[in-house]
Amino acid sequence: EDQVTQSPEALRLQEGESSSLNCSYTVSGLRGLFWYRQDPGKGPEFLFTLYSAGEEKEKERLKATLTKKESFLHITAPKPEDSATYLCAVQAATSSGTYKYIFGTGTRLKVLA
Amino acid sequence: SAVISQKPSRDICQRGTSLTIQCQVDSQVTMMFWYRQQPGQSLTLIATANQGSEATYESGFVIDKFPISRPNLTFSTLTVSNLSPEDSSIYLCSVDGGSVDGYTFGSGTRLTVV
Repeated sequence: EDQVTQSPEALRLQEGESSSLNCSYTVSGLRGLFWYRQDPGKGPEFLFTLYSAGEEKEKERLKATLTKKESFLHITAPKPEDSATYLCAVQAATSSGTYKYIFGTGTRLKVLA
Repeated sequence: SAVISQKPSRDICQRGTSLTIQCQVDSQVTMMFWYRQQPGQSLTLIATANQGSEATYESGFVIDKFPISRPNLTFSTLTVSNLSPEDSSIYLCSVDGGSVDGYTFGSGTRLTVV
């Protein structure tokens, strides 16, 4: 069964304390892996797409990496404004030739000043 | 990337009633997606709405409970019918922005059923 698991569920960091969020997946026919940021009361905001193992993408203090089984979102020297829920999603091909999008449950990040 | 206006942002409804959620996109899109996000859970796809055809529903979701309208390429509505407390959730619409922009989401509708 296709599955996306994110860990940890919640993470508290001091400002400047770097860390990583994990997204492990089991899907057949992976087309892409997506990272989103979601602030309270808002819809998810797109961050990155990764397509193949070894690929990396960076944006400000965030860096996403991908292996054949998992993706990491590295946060370097985080600031309080990085506090949010980070969602991982995979896009997988279906047997009918279409594709489906499977979301993880997210990691709630809190960065303390 | 596309901009989506979703409303209402929140509502409190009596059980047995219905709520209609609207999403307006600032550009024409072929497919619009409706998701449910229950507390502490991941986003779950309810249905895919194509203009000019019936929506395609995911397993566990039926048209009688979640009727969808897609009258043109920029607009869609989702109605949650015969509300029960179990329908209390956040509902989101989304469009596919492609590999560069990923999926764009509306700001969500927080529904509370009392």
